[in-house]
Amino acid sequence: GAVVSQHPSWVICKSGTSVKIECRSLDFQATTMFWYRQFPKQSLMLMATSNEGSKATYEQGVEKDKFLINHASLTLSTLTVTSAHPEDSSFYICSAREDRVSVHTIYFGEGSWLTVV
Amino acid sequence: SQQGEEDPQALSIQEGENATMNCSYKTSINNLQWYRQNSGRGLVHLILIRSNEREKHSGRLRVTLDTSKKSSSLLITASRAADTASYFCATAHNYGQNFVFGPGTRLSVLP
Repeated sequence: GAVVSQHPSWVICKSGTSVKIECRSLDFQATTMFWYRQFPKQSLMLMATSNEGSKATYEQGVEKDKFLINHASLTLSTLTVTSAHPEDSSFYICSAREDRVSVHTIYFGEGSWLTVV
Repeated sequence: SQQGEEDPQALSIQEGENATMNCSYKTSINNLQWYRQNSGRGLVHLILIRSNEREKHSGRLRVTLDTSKKSSSLLITASRAADTASYFCATAHNYGQNFVFGPGTRLSVLP
């Protein structure tokens, strides 16, 4: 079946640095991908909708200059956390939408743990 | 914005018992899905139920949907220690769009 891969699964970075998380659809093309964030013992909150070839749509309260999203190809979206701070430490999950005629299916990645020290 | 609300937020049962989790939502939906998340891991899709369906089964899982009450339930029968995880319901207003997740139910199955 379709698979969405996220990389890296775990990353530790120093405060002030930037870190990039990749989301790939492995065997289907995804014009739309979604990025979620999950703090410990909380639910997943949508951060932004990533559209191939165009700017991402950010949810209210999410800083677009801090969380840079690039969806340059039909199989890859990247989330870059710029000038990371400890409060950005979280679990980030992406999902990708497989588009077929009259059918849309969304698949989730395994997620990426970010720890900012 | 958050829409789904799971109930209870935490549930602890003995192995072999049944576990029931409920989810309520506020606006009309196209479909509702249940996911499992083991600690520190990604989401595992369990089951999808469409707005015109009332009940679906998958192995030891049974999901019901009551659109008049805007609620759904997930029943896990004959629970196992490996069922210990957080369970989330997610609603989709338009098929294929982003999901809105509830806060989840943390299930602990004690051996």
